[in-house]
Amino acid sequence: DQQVKQNSPSLSVQEGRISILNCDYTNSMFDYFLWYKKYPAEGPTFLISISSIKDKNEDGRFTVFLNKSAKHLSLHIVPSQPGDSAVYFCAATPSYNAGNMLTFGGGTRLMVKP
Amino acid sequence: EAGVAQSPRYKIIEKRQSVAFWCNPISGHATLYWYQQILGQGPKLLIQFQNNGVVDDSQLPKDRFSAERLKGVDSTLKIQPAKLEDSAVYLCASSSGQGRSPLHFGNGTRLTVT
Repeated sequence: DQQVKQNSPSLSVQEGRISILNCDYTNSMFDYFLWYKKYPAEGPTFLISISSIKDKNEDGRFTVFLNKSAKHLSLHIVPSQPGDSAVYFCAATPSYNAGNMLTFGGGTRLMVKP
Repeated sequence: EAGVAQSPRYKIIEKRQSVAFWCNPISGHATLYWYQQILGQGPKLLIQFQNNGVVDDSQLPKDRFSAERLKGVDSTLKIQPAKLEDSAVYLCASSSGQGRSPLHFGNGTRLTVT
């Protein structure tokens, strides 16, 4: 049973436009959410996170939105740059887990065209 | 700050053979994780260590997989005997273990079982 789902395996966006990556979860115990970015032949790198007490967190060009009632979060990248082309993973962890054991989604490959 | 080091980068073995992966976490990081990432999927947690103790190994196939973290620093993950379905990238990650500190991943070991 996939507790974290990224239903779009790929997304193509023009440089300068907005990229929106979506993520859905089923476990209502999840209360902390993260996005990781992964380039080929490298490990995932942390991008941005959000706690369930917030509905938005912003860091430069990256903004994560959380809709708890819909169990949905999204990552917005504005403006998109060719260097943003990578696989993006959504991850979640429950409130009772202080050890940050993350459950990952399957990833979305973002391609930003110059 | 040096990142998480993993070796080897690539390994090709035949089924029923054994293999071992090594991980050196970021200095001072108490928590260490091993994840398995099958092609096209998100990383899946295999085992989490806090110092040299196991916090969670519920998803580790213990009939063939074993892991240790002697002295609470380096860790090794072993598969014996390997199966075709073990072909994946094995990612090691570490975190300080304080609060919601993000995981830092190594570049992984790509295992191919033929």
